[in-house]
Amino acid sequence: DTGVSQNPRHKITKRGQNVTFRCDPISEHNRLYWYRQTLGQGPEFLTYFQNEAQLEKSRLLSDRFSAERPKGSFSTLEIQRTEQGDSAMYLCASSLAPGIFYGYTFGSGTRLTVV
Amino acid sequence: KQEVTQIPAALSVPEGENLVLNCSFTDSAIYNLQWFRQDPGKGLTSLLLIQSSQREQTSGRLNASLDKSSGRSTLYIAASQPGDSATYLCAVRSNSGGSNYKLTFGKGTLLTVNP
Repeated sequence: DTGVSQNPRHKITKRGQNVTFRCDPISEHNRLYWYRQTLGQGPEFLTYFQNEAQLEKSRLLSDRFSAERPKGSFSTLEIQRTEQGDSAMYLCASSLAPGIFYGYTFGSGTRLTVV
Repeated sequence: KQEVTQIPAALSVPEGENLVLNCSFTDSAIYNLQWFRQDPGKGLTSLLLIQSSQREQTSGRLNASLDKSSGRSTLYIAASQPGDSATYLCAVRSNSGGSNYKLTFGKGTLLTVNP
């Protein structure tokens, strides 16, 4: 098992463009999470999947953001009409359910810069 | 609402020194607490996971303690090395409310170990 994999590692985009990030969790983990981290802050929760079902979305996730996890495997996070305020590190994590006795495993993140 | 505070925000020590990083949280109703390490521009690496019923966990030169009733955790690093230089993040998983799968992070402590 190679851990949680995120692609791309870095993305620079112009304001107004759409971007999509991919996360491949640890294969036996059925819970998948997206977090966002801005400079000097701790990561903040964005959304959570159990298998293919998206069970919660943070208020941080505006209508321009959408996440999917088809067939409960990899996940994608799409940002439409990017804004400079979207510049951040986007982190994906996975865990086993029920999860309360297990820790999270995070990926290396995707660094988004909107210019 | 759970809030996590980490003190100090930054710490610089000479190589070989033992050091303590502090984490406090406002709601003691937690499932577990996890310490992470983050290198500049990188994702999170899990260091230690302490369940709410545990008092401490050890891994190599690292020892983490948990005092749930007082809302405190410490991360002790023995015989620090320049390779320990990174940001250390504390995160708690609360068991109050319906969102028991989210992690709430502190802002981290930036550790610099000087040769």
